[in-house]
Amino acid sequence: AQKVTQAQTEISVVEKEDVTLDCVYETRDTTYYLFWYKQPPSGELVFLIRRNSFDEQNEISGRYSWNFQKSTSSFNFTITASQVVDSAVYFCALSAPPGGGTSYGKLTFGQGTILTVHP
Amino acid sequence: GAGVSQSPSNKVTEKGKDVELRCDPISGHTALYWYRQRLGQGLEFLIYFQGNSAPDKSGLPSDRFSAERTGESVSTLTIQRTQQEDSAVYLCASSLDRISEQFFGPGTRLTVL
Repeated sequence: AQKVTQAQTEISVVEKEDVTLDCVYETRDTTYYLFWYKQPPSGELVFLIRRNSFDEQNEISGRYSWNFQKSTSSFNFTITASQVVDSAVYFCALSAPPGGGTSYGKLTFGQGTILTVHP
Repeated sequence: GAGVSQSPSNKVTEKGKDVELRCDPISGHTALYWYRQRLGQGLEFLIYFQGNSAPDKSGLPSDRFSAERTGESVSTLTIQRTQQEDSAVYLCASSLDRISEQFFGPGTRLTVL
């Protein structure tokens, strides 16, 4: 069975601070995809990133960066110089592997981390 | 182009009644997913359609839940004899195929009184 754990239920920071959201996952599959989604107050989930389990290189996109460490089964997300507009619930998710029949593609989500950035 | 749309945005119903939720995926997306999000929780997978293949129903919590999709178009999630524990936001997502990222709709907030 797959499981995603986001240990931080809520994080509160002041604008311009850096913040890291933790994600730890469990899977027996050797190949899989990891995702981060953002859910702003409007409610609609916004896709942020997808990472293949074969690719352990860190990725940076503007103020966002992701640290994937297969050895510790973690896929952490850092926002540099946070802004008020970053306030949202952030979800980490895991998908079944390619070739997993019809089960491939469905996402297993963590419980989410509520990030509040104060001005 | 338009994103994933869902209707209604809010639904309040009485315990025991049936409800029908609708999802319009992004045009051309062959894969469609339904998820449920209870208050303060992550998303739970319910069901997944891929083209004309048999749907993956492994996430449906009980036989009161069913879903249909005709071809690569609209999908309907039906909950029969609703219970209070069915209260949640029901989210639909679609993707170009089953290896592409999923795009989510705004959800339907269901409240069962």
